[in-house]
Amino acid sequence: GNSVTQMEGPVTLSEEAFLTINCTYTATGYPSLFWYVQYPGEGLQLLLKATKADDKGSNKGFEATYRKETTSFHLEKGSVQVSDSAVYFCALSDQGRAQGGSEKLVFGKGTKLTVNP
Amino acid sequence: DTEVTQTPKHLVMGMTNKKSLKCEQHMGHRAMYWYKQKAKKPPELMFVYSYEKLSINESVPSRFSPECPNSSLLNLHLHALQPEDSALYLCASSQSWTANYGYTFGSGTRLTVV
Repeated sequence: GNSVTQMEGPVTLSEEAFLTINCTYTATGYPSLFWYVQYPGEGLQLLLKATKADDKGSNKGFEATYRKETTSFHLEKGSVQVSDSAVYFCALSDQGRAQGGSEKLVFGKGTKLTVNP
Repeated sequence: DTEVTQTPKHLVMGMTNKKSLKCEQHMGHRAMYWYKQKAKKPPELMFVYSYEKLSINESVPSRFSPECPNSSLLNLHLHALQPEDSALYLCASSQSWTANYGYTFGSGTRLTVV
């Protein structure tokens, strides 16, 4: 089945540092790819998404490009802030799972980011 | 309204209690989901409702009973839970049966079983 592998961290950076969180996937077909962020004590928020190869998703200074040739969707930000401290989840749409007429998101294990002032 | 609202935010229940978690959305989404998330783990899918019908049950124990009374509401009925069921329960919704649009998540109910 479809799966996502992301660096588990934790990742600790100083404010204004460059961030990369690696995410690679295994999938049949053409899944959509997502990054979700979870702040302490909260639910998941969609950060960005890309629906086809070479698409770049971006939001709040974060970017990720859907690379079919390397099956990757790495998350980057040029200058992190303390407020970016959270857990980041890479996910893909499991198009192979059409049981009962529904699909599901498959999540990576999450990467905890801590940004120090 | 672009939110998924979950109530209660916190719940403590005994192993013999019956309780319910509630989830509501008014975005016109036709698919709704229950996830369970243990500490430092990714969310695990429990149930999927598509057009108010149960579409996926990920082999969840019968002490968890989902219900979708209408297209805006999703409930999770809890009965005779075990301490290991303590977790954050997340509700989500999406536009339709396809996951390509992503999900909108609620803030979750933090459940403690004593």
